Amino acid sequence: QQQVKQSPQSLIVQKGGISIINCAYENTAFDYFPWYQQFPGKGPALLIAIRPDVSEKKEGRFTISFNKSAKQFSLHIMDSQPGDSATYFCAASNPRQTGANNLFFGTGTRLTVIP
Amino acid sequence: NAGVTQTPKFRILKIGQSMTLQCAQDMNHNYMYWYRQDPGMGLKLIYYSVGAGITDKGEVPNGYNVSRSTTEDFPLRLELAAPSQTSVYFCASSHSGPQFFGPGTRLTVL
Repeated sequence: QQQVKQSPQSLIVQKGGISIINCAYENTAFDYFPWYQQFPGKGPALLIAIRPDVSEKKEGRFTISFNKSAKQFSLHIMDSQPGDSATYFCAASNPRQTGANNLFFGTGTRLTVIP
Repeated sequence: NAGVTQTPKFRILKIGQSMTLQCAQDMNHNYMYWYRQDPGMGLKLIYYSVGAGITDKGEVPNGYNVSRSTTEDFPLRLELAAPSQTSVYFCASSHSGPQFFGPGTRLTVL
């Protein structure tokens, strides 16, 4: 059972375009929603994260939009660059319940940015 | 700081063999985690630890064991390797915030 559902599986965007990746969850106890970026042969690295008390968080070209009532959140990459080509994972957790920050990951989106 | 280190990088095992995947962190993090990553499946939590001497099961613990005798180290043990354990294994650590991942161990069981 996939606790966090992610789409699309793959995405091809032209340089300078906007990349949008969507995630949905069911467990309303989740209160931490990070996005991870992974390059081939490397471990995931935290890109940006949000808590459900805000609807949007922006860091540079990366923005998370969060819709608590719909139980959905998305990653927007503005002015996409070839160096953004990677696999992106959304995740969710409830650190206040477990103490540890056990993450439930989406299945990943392979982004390719064409020059 | 080296961050989170994992050894070995690659390993091929025969069915029924055992091995230990090593993980160490030098950030003095209390929490440590083991995940496996399978194609198209994302990462799944195997075991986690909230401190030395304390471990607990994650989503997919069957076939694995862990121990945490020090804050720095969190080894993952496979006792009887099976083809279903072919995967890339990631160790991670955190304080109270985001997790930092190691570079991974690619394990193939034949």
